[in-house]
Amino acid sequence: DIQMTQSPSSLSASVGDGVTITCRASQSISRYLNWYQQKSGKAPKLLIYAASSLQSGVPSRFSGSGSGTEFTLTISSLQPEDFATYYCQESYSTPSCTFGQGTKVEI
Amino acid sequence: EERLVESGGGSVQPGGSLRLSCVASGFTFSPYWMYWVRQAAGKGLVWVSRINSDMSGAYYADSVKGRFTISRDNDKGTLYLQMNSLRAEDTAVYYCARSEYQLLSGHYYYYLDVWGKGTTVIVSS
Repeated sequence: DIQMTQSPSSLSASVGDGVTITCRASQSISRYLNWYQQKSGKAPKLLIYAASSLQSGVPSRFSGSGSGTEFTLTISSLQPEDFATYYCQESYSTPSCTFGQGTKVEI
Repeated sequence: EERLVESGGGSVQPGGSLRLSCVASGFTFSPYWMYWVRQAAGKGLVWVSRINSDMSGAYYADSVKGRFTISRDNDKGTLYLQMNSLRAEDTAVYYCARSEYQLLSGHYYYYLDVWGKGTTVIVSS
């Protein structure tokens, strides 16, 4: 099974800061990597698919990069509504999939 | 608006059963693969099961194989998860999600683009 490891597990930042979250796969997954945002008590929301493609309606301050085993999600300028937990997910092993453990972005 | 609405959660004793439902609206349900994903309180997201659009394939996480059954009724636009022999570790919020894909540079990239709000399952004596 593919393991997905995110770092850091949590971070503190301020409005306007740039933030980078890293996701590492235990084996190469090419670009089969998605990113989701989850706010407390809410369902996850798709942000990025195929490592770097921005989902329709998602602000351009969100971007993704990487391939193989290392991926990053970058928020260029944090907004108040961006404080949430972020998950990476590999879709290489479809029909199954594995999520990272999450990164909580706090003030 | 494309929506998924789960129902059927509740409290059940260990060894008991529950049937979750997920009703789709605002889009044509039948062409999509559908997923169940769960999340225990304070924990991360965990894949549970997937079903193909035409029910030709159903797939399960090892932790639920043999106990859970995924199914769908394309005429009703509804996804189901029959959960038997429930254990305390099955306690979680259960989300249904739609799988979409994009063809990029000759490769199909799959992702979960529509999620329900979730239904809570508590297994406790």
